[in-house]
Amino acid sequence: TAGITQAPTSQILAAGRSMTLRCTQDMRHNAMYWYRQDLGLGLRLIHYSNTAGTTGKGEVPDGYSVSRANTDDFPLTLASAVPSQTSVYFCASSERAGARVYGYTFGSGTRLTVV
Amino acid sequence: AQSVTQPDIHITVSEGASLELRCNYSYGATPYLFWYVQSPGQGLQLLLKYFSGDTLVQGIKGFEAEFKRSQSSFNLRKPSVHWSDAAEYFCAVAPSYNNNDMRFGAGTRLTVKP
Repeated sequence: TAGITQAPTSQILAAGRSMTLRCTQDMRHNAMYWYRQDLGLGLRLIHYSNTAGTTGKGEVPDGYSVSRANTDDFPLTLASAVPSQTSVYFCASSERAGARVYGYTFGSGTRLTVV
Repeated sequence: AQSVTQPDIHITVSEGASLELRCNYSYGATPYLFWYVQSPGQGLQLLLKYFSGDTLVQGIKGFEAEFKRSQSSFNLRKPSVHWSDAAEYFCAVAPSYNNNDMRFGAGTRLTVKP
């Protein structure tokens, strides 16, 4: 089934440690996104990428970095985790043709707990 | 920047009853509007979207939504709810020119009573 694969499904991470959340899509979508979901706040955009080789900052980028070496992969890295980064992280992708807006396809999420 | 408000945090309806979930947005122009559904432990799935044209849009799973410019609303409706509709529902808005700036509401959790 075509879609987005996120790994790991869940993780407990010690504060100060680094971690990379993986995201792979097989739909050849140009645009990819990382969101965090927190109770009562909905989803907030961390970083995005319109196409391979380019990235941009979203609403809450501090403490996170991304790379987009190819179309399919969009890893999210926490360089030094803090407890406030405890959240559920969703990767998403969408078609992109010019400035047209499309709906997103989401992965199943990574539940991260920083202790 | 645009914003989305979902006034109801939690709604409970009986199976077979009708459903309306409210969504209000704040944006200077006509935005692109979306409804997503999230089942427990899953990612979000697109239910329907409004870009332009007919203000009543049909989606998957028997859902529909109506765009009302005068009220800045995009409410989601279903005539008869099924137990499998129990989930979290998110309204989202994006500027018509920027796919990267999609903003989500805080969500409405739907419980379906037998």
